[in-house]
Amino acid sequence: EVQLVESGGGLVQPGGSLRLSCAASGFTFSSYNMNWVRQAPGKGLEWVSDIDNRGSNTNYADSVKGRFTISRDNANNSLYLQMHSLRDEDTALYYCARGPALGFGVVNDAFDIWGQGTMVTVSS
Amino acid sequence: DIQMTQSPSTLSASVGDRVTITCRASQSVSRWLAWYQQKPGRAPKVLIYDVSSLESGVPSRFSGSGSGTEFTLTISSLQPDDFATYYCQQYNSYSYTFGQGTKLEIK
Repeated sequence: EVQLVESGGGLVQPGGSLRLSCAASGFTFSSYNMNWVRQAPGKGLEWVSDIDNRGSNTNYADSVKGRFTISRDNANNSLYLQMHSLRDEDTALYYCARGPALGFGVVNDAFDIWGQGTMVTVSS
Repeated sequence: DIQMTQSPSTLSASVGDRVTITCRASQSVSRWLAWYQQKPGRAPKVLIYDVSSLESGVPSRFSGSGSGTEFTLTISSLQPDDFATYYCQQYNSYSYTFGQGTKLEIK
């Protein structure tokens, strides 16, 4: 079964750090770009970051640039999001989502597989 | 960044109705436009990709159309399972952006 499972969320004080993980299974992880998307309570979806299939190229939303770092370990089918200098407005459910199969030559594609999300709460 | 604007924000409809949701982009996104359905407490699910391609397993009552900057999601005959929130998303250029969502409610 194709699956993404996030972990690592929790309660953190403003200014603190947290590392999210996403474990992938059921597909050739190293062939796909991967994304983080977040959703604040009661709000819409916000794309946060993506990384290409090899981990060579990364992109970030302006709201997290310089504070968050996306990375991946293809040997262990895992995606990560290191978050620093957390703010109240970073409070959200964080999803990992599968993007295009760049390893198979697909450059643009919707996010077809999503995890269940992990909740990050930034509060003092 | 490309801004995505959905309308309406809320839509009240009945089972069997035909409904249309519109998504407008602040600049062309070519054909790189998707529609997602999200139910409370659940992750989003892709319905339509590349403007009009139906994701595998999605009922044929869902369809997408449009080009450039204006797009629509149509549900031909609403079923009870369709009451949810719908989002459009462009994946033409960074930052990938979502519309603000359209909540489809039971009338």
